[in-house]
Amino acid sequence: AQTVTQSQPEMSVQEAETVTLSCTYDTSENNYYLFWYKQPPSRQMILVIRQEAYKQQNATENRFSVNFQKAAKSFSLKISDSQLGDTAMYFCASHYGGATNKLIFGTGTLLAVQP
Amino acid sequence: GAVVSQHPSWVICKSGTSVKIECRSLDFQATTMFWYRQFPKQSLMLMATSNEGSKATYEQGVEKDKFLINHASLTLSTLTVTSAHPEDSSFYICSARFGRSYNEQFFGPGTRLTVL
Repeated sequence: AQTVTQSQPEMSVQEAETVTLSCTYDTSENNYYLFWYKQPPSRQMILVIRQEAYKQQNATENRFSVNFQKAAKSFSLKISDSQLGDTAMYFCASHYGGATNKLIFGTGTLLAVQP
Repeated sequence: GAVVSQHPSWVICKSGTSVKIECRSLDFQATTMFWYRQFPKQSLMLMATSNEGSKATYEQGVEKDKFLINHASLTLSTLTVTSAHPEDSSFYICSARFGRSYNEQFFGPGTRLTVL
């Protein structure tokens, strides 16, 4: 079975500090995509960053970057210079092709940025 | 990114009635739409995948006679909760993508359903 695991239910970080959210996944496929989504209190799902599995270079979007370790099946999200607006639930997700062809979400990490 | 809307944003209904939720892609053709359910402080649970012009594919454990999904056009999918009961109260989210293989999914803002 294809799974996505987030082992940190809640995390807290001080404003302007850096925080890393963990995610591991399990698949036997070679081609897949990995995502981090943010769900703020409004509950609108927002795509934070995306990584194609065939790309070795880690994806970066402004203050957000990932550490993609394909062999270890690890996909962590680093948030630099944390801001109050980063407070949200963060979901790691993967998309596998073939018969699956859908997003599989982890259980989420609730991040609180403290002033 | 592309915009997906949902209507209504919240609805309260009496037990035993049916409720319809609409999901629209506003600026692209959504070949595939997805319906999720989310309980408080939990992850998104995929209920079904619908391709335009085809019957929806339901995930294991989801009652297709209770959660009717129609994807009659490339911009509109509807989820009808039939004979709703309090346990159906939840947050329902749709997403849409162009194409039947991998492509970015765009999420709607969600609909909060409360069944009294």
